Amino acid sequence: QVQLVQSGSELKKPGASVKVSCKTSGYTFTRYGVNWVRQAPGQGLEWMGWINTNTGNPTYAPDFTGRFVFSFDTSVTTAYLQISSLKPEDTAVYYCARGKSGSGSYYSYWGQGTLVTVSS
Amino acid sequence: DIQMTQSPSSVSASIGDRVTITCRASQGIDNWLAWYQQKPGKAPNLLIYAASSLQSGVPSRFSGSGSGTDFTLTISSLQPEDFATYYCQHSNSFPLTFGGGTKVQIK
Repeated sequence: QVQLVQSGSELKKPGASVKVSCKTSGYTFTRYGVNWVRQAPGQGLEWMGWINTNTGNPTYAPDFTGRFVFSFDTSVTTAYLQISSLKPEDTAVYYCARGKSGSGSYYSYWGQGTLVTVSS
Repeated sequence: DIQMTQSPSSVSASIGDRVTITCRASQGIDNWLAWYQQKPGKAPNLLIYAASSLQSGVPSRFSGSGSGTDFTLTISSLQPEDFATYYCQHSNSFPLTFGGGTKVQIK
């Protein structure tokens, strides 16, 4: 069965970097892109963008350019989200998600979420 | 960017009630719309895609309708497990965006 398993919670200081992993299994990794969604505490969902795991091409939402980088390693079927120069307002749960078969932009598979806390 | 506006932001309802949530897109999106349910501390769960298609495994009391700019999610008879926050999301073009959410609470 399709699974997306994310890395554990992180506590970082402002200005540091963090790398969140999303280990996938149960499907051919290069057939589906990996999407990233942010949810700040008590807030709604924000689409951050996605990475095409076949071509390597990332697409970032306007609010997530510059400090945010999507990457992946096909050999371990894992996608990554790296955030640099962390700010307190980056404190959030970050989810990876995969689209349903036949319609990649409807997310039927999600990771469990990774809480990133940025605090001095 | 296409903005998605949900209403109401919260609704109080009783078991067995019919609940309707609306989502309006700032421009036409055909039927490129999904609805998700999210419970506290959990990832969202896809309920409806392509505006009106029921995701596999989702109870039939959930239904979606609409096209263009105006969409509706209906829960025909509210059950205890349906108390949650619901989000719409368009997938017409990048960037994809979510609505602000509707919290369904116990009356």
